[in-house]
Amino acid sequence: DTGVSQNPRHKITKRGQNVTFRCDPISEHNRLYWYRQTLGQGPEFLTYFQNEAQLEKSRLLSDRFSAERPKGSFSTLEIQRTEQGDSAMYLCASSLRGAEGRRTDTQYFGPGTRLTVL
Amino acid sequence: GESVGLHLPTLSVQEGDNSIINCAYSNSASDYFIWYKQESGKGPQFIIDIRSNMDKRQGQRVTVLLNKTVKHLSLQIAATQPGDSAVYFCAESKTSSGSARQLTFGSGTQLTVLP
Repeated sequence: DTGVSQNPRHKITKRGQNVTFRCDPISEHNRLYWYRQTLGQGPEFLTYFQNEAQLEKSRLLSDRFSAERPKGSFSTLEIQRTEQGDSAMYLCASSLRGAEGRRTDTQYFGPGTRLTVL
Repeated sequence: GESVGLHLPTLSVQEGDNSIINCAYSNSASDYFIWYKQESGKGPQFIIDIRSNMDKRQGQRVTVLLNKTVKHLSLQIAATQPGDSAVYFCAESKTSSGSARQLTFGSGTQLTVLP
């Protein structure tokens, strides 16, 4: 399978606990994105990496959230001291930035990790 | 902030008919638009995209139309099939040289295909 994969697919945790999600992008994709989606809404951008560098962060990404992509391949998203408002689907997407003028950079999404905070 | 929105939250069509899903955007600086399909419990699936220097693009059974004058985007699905039932999102972005495409999504339209 060459698509974006995410683990775990589901996570139930108690308020105040820390959780970590993993995303494996499409092989050789140099850009990786995290989005959050709540029920009935479209995904909202959280952060983006080009290779191992985190280049953009949304104001939605509070201090309790941290994302890493240490070797420019897989990425992790950690949420510390979870709150009930963190309950959502966390989506990862990847894309390939190519030469200027080429039709690239289409974002392909993984299946998401559904987080429920009790 | 500026956002992308959809005209209708739900759309029901008969199997075999054509479907048209509409989207209005408000950021006139957006230069790239994408349609995604999302089935229950799954991530968004890329359908088709269009740049602002085009007004029409066709794929397999799908056509995207862009009207920059009225900031309107539509997705046409020909001969709609039961497997097309899903939520459809339009998304927009504004790009500059070397920057990533941070997508702004609308709230989605639920398409139901009736037998």
